[in-house]
Amino acid sequence: GNSVTQMEGPVTLSEEAFLTINCTYTATGYPSLFWYVQYPGEGLQLLLKATKADDKGSNKGFEATYRKETTSFHLEKGSVQVSDSAVYFCAQGTDKLIFGTGTRLQVFP
Amino acid sequence: DAGVIQSPRHEVTEMGQEVTLRCKPISGHDYLFWYRQTMMRGLELLIYFNNNVPIDDSGMPEDRFSAKMPNASFSTLKIQPSEPRDSAVYFCASTNWGSTFEAFFGQGTRLTVV
Repeated sequence: GNSVTQMEGPVTLSEEAFLTINCTYTATGYPSLFWYVQYPGEGLQLLLKATKADDKGSNKGFEATYRKETTSFHLEKGSVQVSDSAVYFCAQGTDKLIFGTGTRLQVFP
Repeated sequence: DAGVIQSPRHEVTEMGQEVTLRCKPISGHDYLFWYRQTMMRGLELLIYFNNNVPIDDSGMPEDRFSAKMPNASFSTLKIQPSEPRDSAVYFCASTNWGSTFEAFFGQGTRLTVV
């Protein structure tokens, strides 16, 4: 069945470091792909999305590119901030939304 | 729109009691999802509805769990009887087909069963 696999956390970085969180998916067909972010005590919020192969989603300095050939949608940011500390979820959507297990990011000053 | 609204935000109940979680989706959305989040299992899809009809309930853990959507603006998730292992944060989310599944989440209900 369809699934999403993302790297386990926590990911611990210093402020201004480069971030990569890996995400791969298995799907029949061509799902839309998403990254959601969850801050403490809150629900998930959409961070960015891509709906077809080679699309690049971007928001708040985060980027991810829909790679059909590697079935991947890795999240990147060139310079993280303390305020980026949160849990990040990769997800795919066809007839339903399926999430990865989440990756906790901790950014220290 | 106020977004997806869930109630209560927190619920503490004793084992064996009935628990009802409520969700009001965003107006105009035709899909509604119930998720459960725990440290051990992450974010699990329990059930989802399309136009108030349950489409896939394969994620519902067992018969103690049931969900209804009597109209487009309201859904409930019921646990009867509740058990300590049901303790988790339960999220409701809604979306519509035209938005390519960009889902909007409620704040969640933190359930503690003692």
